[in-house]
Amino acid sequence: ETGVTQSPTHLIKTRGQQVTLRCSSQSGHNTVSWYQQALGQGPQFIFQYYREEENGRGNFPPRFSGLQFPNYSSELNVNALELDDSALYLCASSHKRETNTDTQYFGPGTRLTVL
Amino acid sequence: KQEVTQIPAALSVPEGENLVLNCSFTDSAIYNLQWFRQDPGKGLTSLLLIQSSQREQTSGRLNASLDKSSGRSTLYIAASQPGDSATYLCALLTSGSRLTFGEGTQLTVNP
Repeated sequence: ETGVTQSPTHLIKTRGQQVTLRCSSQSGHNTVSWYQQALGQGPQFIFQYYREEENGRGNFPPRFSGLQFPNYSSELNVNALELDDSALYLCASSHKRETNTDTQYFGPGTRLTVL
Repeated sequence: KQEVTQIPAALSVPEGENLVLNCSFTDSAIYNLQWFRQDPGKGLTSLLLIQSSQREQTSGRLNASLDKSSGRSTLYIAASQPGDSATYLCALLTSGSRLTFGEGTQLTVNP
């Protein structure tokens, strides 16, 4: 059983550019959640994908978008990058059942720096 | 809106000391509470998960408690070691399967 993986590990972009981050969920998991963690703060929920559809969104603008693929892997896309988008982006996978008590397993994160 | 507060923000202790990290939250309508460990620049490692119907969980030198009525959780670390140095985050799972995190307690255990 493989864990949650994310790519790339690190990324440097300039203001105004677009970026795509990738996440492979843990085997058997059907749900992927994305979080943004600024330096010195706790992670903030961006959105969640369940069976290829967005299933909840945090307080992030529309330039943050995502996709989930049939194999349950996921992408996070950020357009028109701003300096404040510099952060560690964490992906978490889980298996959603009828109850919501699904444990989320986190990947190692992608460190994005916007210059 | 769920708000999570962790106290203290930073803690420095000598090796061997027992310590308690605190987490408080404003909305008791939670499904579970998790404690995570984060090493600098790394992802999150889940330490303990307490379901909303439970009062505590134990794993080795770690014990976490949950009191929904008062909106509090504690993480107790026994006989601390330098390898325990990290940031500890508590997070609550609420409706919509989203985790709400505190800002963490940065722990340093000095040899």
